[in-house]
This record gives sequence, C-alpha cells and structure tokens, in this order.
Amino acid sequence: EIVLTQSPGTLSLSPGERATLSCRASQSVSRAYLAWYQQKPGQAPRLLIHGASSRATGIPDRFSGSGSGKDFTLTISSLEPEDFAVYYCQHYGSSLWSFGQGTKVEIK
Amino acid sequence: QAQLVQSGPEVKRPGASVKVSCKASGYTFTSYGFTWVRQAPGQGLEWMGWVSGNNENRHYAPRFQGRVTMTTDISTSSAYMELRSLRFDDTAVYYCARLVRGVWGTWFDPWGQGSLVTVSS
Repeated sequence: EIVLTQSPGTLSLSPGERATLSCRASQSVSRAYLAWYQQKPGQAPRLLIHGASSRATGIPDRFSGSGSGKDFTLTISSLEPEDFAVYYCQHYGSSLWSFGQGTKVEIK
Repeated sequence: QAQLVQSGPEVKRPGASVKVSCKASGYTFTSYGFTWVRQAPGQGLEWMGWVSGNNENRHYAPRFQGRVTMTTDISTSSAYMELRSLRFDDTAVYYCARLVRGVWGTWFDPWGQGSLVTVSS
C-alpha cells in the first residue's frame, strides 16, 4: 500500500502570500491518479486538482498542481481569505484509494 | 449539475448497524460509481470502498472488509453504505462522493454533505 505524507502539517501565512504544499508518496505513482482536495471547517471536501495538474471545474487559476514520481506539490499563488482550509492529497493504486494526513493553511 | 444529498445524523449503540443513504441527481446515475469516505472528529479522511452505479462491482478497503456493504439502487438513484458491528471508534462523519474513473485518471467529485454517525452507549 502506498503511503502519502504531506508537509508541513500546518502552514501559517498571510493573505496575498504564496502557499506551497508538499505530498510525498512512499513509492513512485502515476500522475493520472494524484488528486488534491480542499476542506473547510464543517464542510465536505472539494476537488481542486486531478491528474496531478488539471484544475477541476470552477477552481480559480491561483491553484496549481505539479510533480511526478514520488513528489507532488499544490501551489496557491496568492492566498485569498477563503483559501484558509485543510488540503489533502489523494492517490489511487491497486484498487485502493488513500489520502495524505492533510496540511492546514492558517492565517498568520 | 451533479449533486449528492445524504441522510441525516444517526445515533447507534455499540454492536448495532447503520445504513447511510446518498441520493444523486443531475447526471446519468449508472455512468459513475460511488465511493465512501469517513472522517473521525478532528481527524483526516479515510477511504472505505466503492460501488459501481449499476451495483455490479464493489471493492472495500481491507480494514472494513466483512463489516461494510455498499450498494446502489437505480430505481431511487441512491447509493447506500451499511456498517455493522459498530464500535465507539466508528463515530465519524461519513461522506459519499461520485467516483470518476477513466484513462485520464480517477477522482471524487462531487461530495455529499456528510452524515454524522455517533456510536454511544
């Protein structure tokens, strides 16, 4: 089973700053099967990125995904107040889906 | 626009079963599968399993195998997740999501609003 490790656990930033979130897999994975989700308190998760770098419908272009092999990154180019939330990466492989433990982006 | 609406909160005793429903609208029901994810209080997301829209295929995460059953009902455009032999640590919000699969990748979108299941004596 592939384990996804996200870092940092918490990212303290100010609005307007750039956020860089990391997701590292325990072994090389296919870009096609790497997705990112955003979850705000009391809400269901929302799809942001699929296929490692494709934005979901309606997602602003300040969100971008990149990476390959074991290392993937979610970048928020300039944080808006509504972007402070928890972000999860997700992988599919061998008929199983798994999530990273999440990165919380909080207001500094 | 695809939308998933889940059933309301449940309180169950240890050892009991719970069945959560997820009603879909806004798309062709059998074209997509459903997946279930749970989130214990203050914790991350845990994938539980998936079922095809036509109810012919399913696969469960190993830790839930034997205790969970996922089904779909085309007549009501609904998916169901039944968890048996409930324990205190099954207390969580249970989410359904539409499962998108193809050669271009796989992801969960959209998600239901979540159903809180509390296991309490």
